[in-house]
Amino acid sequence: TQLLEQSPQFLSIQEGENLTVYCNSSSVFSSLQWYRQEPGEGPVLLVTVVTGGEVKKLKRLTFQFGDARKDSSLHITAAQPGDTGLYLCAGVYGNKLVFGAGTILRVKS
Amino acid sequence: EAGVVQSPRYKIIEKKQPVAFWCNPISGHNTLYWYLQNLGQGPELLIRYENEEAVDDSQLPKDRFSAERLKGVDSTLKIQPAELGDSAVYLCASSFGIYNEQFFGPGTRLTVL
Repeated sequence: TQLLEQSPQFLSIQEGENLTVYCNSSSVFSSLQWYRQEPGEGPVLLVTVVTGGEVKKLKRLTFQFGDARKDSSLHITAAQPGDTGLYLCAGVYGNKLVFGAGTILRVKS
Repeated sequence: EAGVVQSPRYKIIEKKQPVAFWCNPISGHNTLYWYLQNLGQGPELLIRYENEEAVDDSQLPKDRFSAERLKGVDSTLKIQPAELGDSAVYLCASSFGIYNEQFFGPGTRLTVL
């Protein structure tokens, strides 16, 4: 059973477009993390959200944590080819960290 | 600050052979994780250490996989014997703090022929 569902699984867009990826669960997270992974490398932490309703911005990336702490979204404005990668959300349940399957993003120039 | 170091980066072996992966975490990080990642999927936890104690090994296939973290620093993950289905990327991560934010190494890509 996949605790965290990410959508879409794959996204291919043109440079300059906006996009949103989603992370959903039926369980409540104590906190949630987003990572980006490039081919041949390990995931790199982008942000941690802790409070329901929290919004964090990292340059062109906006992360939102749902009010009930069961879902999260990542919005990218004016995507660049350098944003290409696998975006993973990971939820903390008690002392366990569980990863979603990821969204593969490809930004074409 | 040096990141998480893993070796080797790539390993190709024949089935039924043994293989070992090594990880050196970030200095001062007490928690160390080994994950398995299949292509296009998220990492799946194999084992988590707090210092030298394995506190979660529920997902480790103990009939063929073993791990150790001597002195609470470096760690080794071993597979013996390897099977075709073990082909994957094996990631090591370390963390420090209340949110378990993971710092990953580059991984070892294992191919079992």
